[in-house]
Amino acid sequence: AQSVAQPEDQVNVAEGNPLTVKCTYSVSGNPYLFWYVQYPNRGLQFLLKYITGDNLVKGSYGFEAEFNKSQTSFHLKKPSALVSDSALYFCAVRLSFQGGKLIFGQGTELSVKP
Amino acid sequence: EAQVTQNPRYLITVTGKKLTVTCSQNMNHEYMSWYRQDPGLGLRQIYYSMNVEVTDKGDVPEGYKVSRKEKRNFPLILESPSPNQTSLYFCASSPPGIAPLHFGNGTRLTVT
Repeated sequence: AQSVAQPEDQVNVAEGNPLTVKCTYSVSGNPYLFWYVQYPNRGLQFLLKYITGDNLVKGSYGFEAEFNKSQTSFHLKKPSALVSDSALYFCAVRLSFQGGKLIFGQGTELSVKP
Repeated sequence: EAQVTQNPRYLITVTGKKLTVTCSQNMNHEYMSWYRQDPGLGLRQIYYSMNVEVTDKGDVPEGYKVSRKEKRNFPLILESPSPNQTSLYFCASSPPGIAPLHFGNGTRLTVT
């Protein structure tokens, strides 16, 4: 079955430290990968995506993600965390270029403390 | 302002009483989709639409209906809601190709 997993329900980081939010996927064919962020009482906002090409993708608010085909992972990273980065983060995969099915991970709550 | 608008934001209803959650986008997007968000389960796709009059099931379509008669609107219909449909619902849209989704602000539905 095709799936996306975020192995950590919660990640705690001190402000100024680097952060990583993990995502692994299991899909047939080439994956199209996304990261979204959700702030309280809001819809999800797009951070970045990987379609093809360079394995390191840069996105909004200083976030980046590294695509690793051999490990089927797409971890979200930021060199220096801010308190305002505290939110719920979702990894997602679209199964084909023409198709509309989208699978989300279960989400990771990021907490950045001063 | 480019946006996806869902209504209502909050809805409390009783088992079996038909309801519709509306979704409208003003970006002329072809693709629209509905998701439900439940703790520990992330977002699960209910239905999606690649264009007008073209809809398809996502992972959890049971108990839901959709229609896409116009490009801008994609209502979600629960003909006989049950308590297990209590959830936070999101509508989203995007242009063609592998484009990011634009999400509405959500509808919190409680079915008693």
